Amino acid sequence: SQQGEEDPQALSIQEGENATMNCSYKTSINNLQWYRQNSGRGLVHLILIRSNEREKHSGRLRVTLDTSKKSSSLLITASRAADTASYFCATAVQGAQKLVFGQGTRLTINP
Amino acid sequence: KAGVTQTPRYLIKTRGQQVTLSCSPISGHRSVSWYQQTPGQGLQFLFEYFSETQRNKGNFPGRFSGRQFSNSRSEMNVSTLELGDSALYLCASSLVEGAYNEQFFGPGTRLTVL
Repeated sequence: SQQGEEDPQALSIQEGENATMNCSYKTSINNLQWYRQNSGRGLVHLILIRSNEREKHSGRLRVTLDTSKKSSSLLITASRAADTASYFCATAVQGAQKLVFGQGTRLTINP
Repeated sequence: KAGVTQTPRYLIKTRGQQVTLSCSPISGHRSVSWYQQTPGQGLQFLFEYFSETQRNKGNFPGRFSGRQFSNSRSEMNVSTLELGDSALYLCASSLVEGAYNEQFFGPGTRLTVL
């Protein structure tokens, strides 16, 4: 099964609302990253949070990390139509020199 | 700085053929990683190259191989193509070694195997 699993698989909200996506993982990590992908294109790095950090902000993005629960959340505030995309969490598993991606959350912002 | 570039963007091949995909990293980036993305399996790590050496490898058969040149450009080769190899192949570069660092992705090459 996947190291990182996002929840929900799909989310549809109105423009201006906040969107929250969650990611759970199984093993100890060095860091956790969030990426955005617009329909069938390359991924864009959003934010990296290290295992010793609990919260990080970048513009309208807020990421939290709870290593005791092995979970992370991505909050997008004041959503815009341009935020419509798939969002992936990726974990840097300790001892493994690679990122393991979850299946993603498909976010749709309705105007 | 120019971003990561991948060529070709689209490719159609038939079963049994082989294919070579190319990736040019961001200038100054020495690590190049390759990923396969399919609807069923999601994003899966293929391998990482740093300083012309393969540093990490995912769980893919030996038909998938790669190399990196002295200018950090990388190629990925898939031999004896199978229908299941149809996917979006993404290349990502990073400033430092370690495919667990922040990755800068290219637009991908969409491979269709008929």
